[in-house]
Amino acid sequence: AQSVTQLGSHVSVSEGALVLLRCNYSSSVPPYLFWYVQYPNQGLQLLLKYTSAATLVKGINGFEAEFKKSETSFHLTKPSAHMSDAAEYFCAVLRETGFQKLVFGTGTRLLVSP
Amino acid sequence: DGGITQSPKYLFRKEGQNVTLSCEQNLNHDAMYWYRQDPGQGLRLIYYSQIVNDFQKGDIAEGYSVSREKKESFPLTVTSAQKNPTAFYLCASSPGRTLYEQYFGPGTRLTVT
Repeated sequence: AQSVTQLGSHVSVSEGALVLLRCNYSSSVPPYLFWYVQYPNQGLQLLLKYTSAATLVKGINGFEAEFKKSETSFHLTKPSAHMSDAAEYFCAVLRETGFQKLVFGTGTRLLVSP
Repeated sequence: DGGITQSPKYLFRKEGQNVTLSCEQNLNHDAMYWYRQDPGQGLRLIYYSQIVNDFQKGDIAEGYSVSREKKESFPLTVTSAQKNPTAFYLCASSPGRTLYEQYFGPGTRLTVT
């Protein structure tokens, strides 16, 4: 069965620093992977998705993620953090069975300090 | 503007009462989903519907019920059988094709005392 693991429930960075949020996946078939962002008391918004077209995926708000099959990873990065990036981030994988169902990680809360 | 609406934003109920959460979409999406979010547990799938008049249980369907009488609407009823109903509930929709992302509503925070 498909699953994702997000390392670190909280990540703290200073404004202007590199953001790195980790996601490792488990899959017996080529995975389709997603990163979503959630601001407090709001729904989720798609940041980017990997669908096997390119291993480096660029998303909104300056975020990008690289699919590494050898490491079974799909880490999310941003070169320079902004205060507005403070939110919770979820990695998700498309299930191999069923109809477009996603399996979500437990989330990583990004804290940005001035 | 197209999107997903959930109402109300906050909902309070007494234990033992059933409560229905609303979810409406005007994106013309075939598939709709209900998730429950608890701190530190990510999102867990309650029910999903691929098409009108059809729905399937997700991972944590016990104590919940849904209906899909219209393409635009997918209400969720939290029954008194749900042991721990206090949570943040998120509705989502997607066009129904495998590679398309899901679009989420703003959520309803349910508190049962």
